Amino acid sequence: GAVVSQHPSRVICKSGTSVKIECRSLDFQATTMFWYRQFPKQSLMLMATSNEGSKATYEQGVEKDKFLINHASLTLSTLTVTSAHPEDSSFYICSAGTGSGGASGEQFFGPGTRLTVL
Amino acid sequence: EDKVVQSPLSLVVHEGDTVTLNCSYEVTNFRSLLWYKQEKKAPTFLFMLTSSGIEKKSGRLSSILDKKELSSILNITATQTGDSAIYLCAVERYGQNFVFGPGTRLSVLP
Repeated sequence: GAVVSQHPSRVICKSGTSVKIECRSLDFQATTMFWYRQFPKQSLMLMATSNEGSKATYEQGVEKDKFLINHASLTLSTLTVTSAHPEDSSFYICSAGTGSGGASGEQFFGPGTRLTVL
Repeated sequence: EDKVVQSPLSLVVHEGDTVTLNCSYEVTNFRSLLWYKQEKKAPTFLFMLTSSGIEKKSGRLSSILDKKELSSILNITATQTGDSAIYLCAVERYGQNFVFGPGTRLSVLP
């Protein structure tokens, strides 16, 4: 099946710094990728839809200046948490689909990135 | 506001039991409903359902969608300890984004 990777898998940073998380589709091209946030014992919360070649679409309540998303190519999307604070500590997961023609198809998830802000 | 509800939120059974997990939704522009299994890290895909009344099956797992009732069930027969996980239901909306339910935490005891 299709593989999605994320890097880093775990990051610890100081408050006020910025952290970049990469999401790559390894063996397929993804015009659309999704970024989720998951708090302990809770479900996934969609943060934004990352579109290759255009601006990301953010869900209501998600600060676009705080969570910068760039979809640089058909295989790479990045999420940058700017000026991170302890409340940004969470598990961040990306996903990408193999569908074409507007169909998202089956979604493949990256392994996730555990962010801890001290 | 679009929402996906799952029940029960938590379930404890013994090996060999059969379980039924429920998912109901209220969303605009429904496209498909998906089931995922989440163990330690990222979810893994189980089923995608688009048509009402057609059962999808994979081993001991099966699922069906009822568009009239805006719901879906996931059945697991002859449960094993390896089935212990959180089962997530998600609804895909046209516009290519998803709404996830809260998940059902299933614990299968030996």
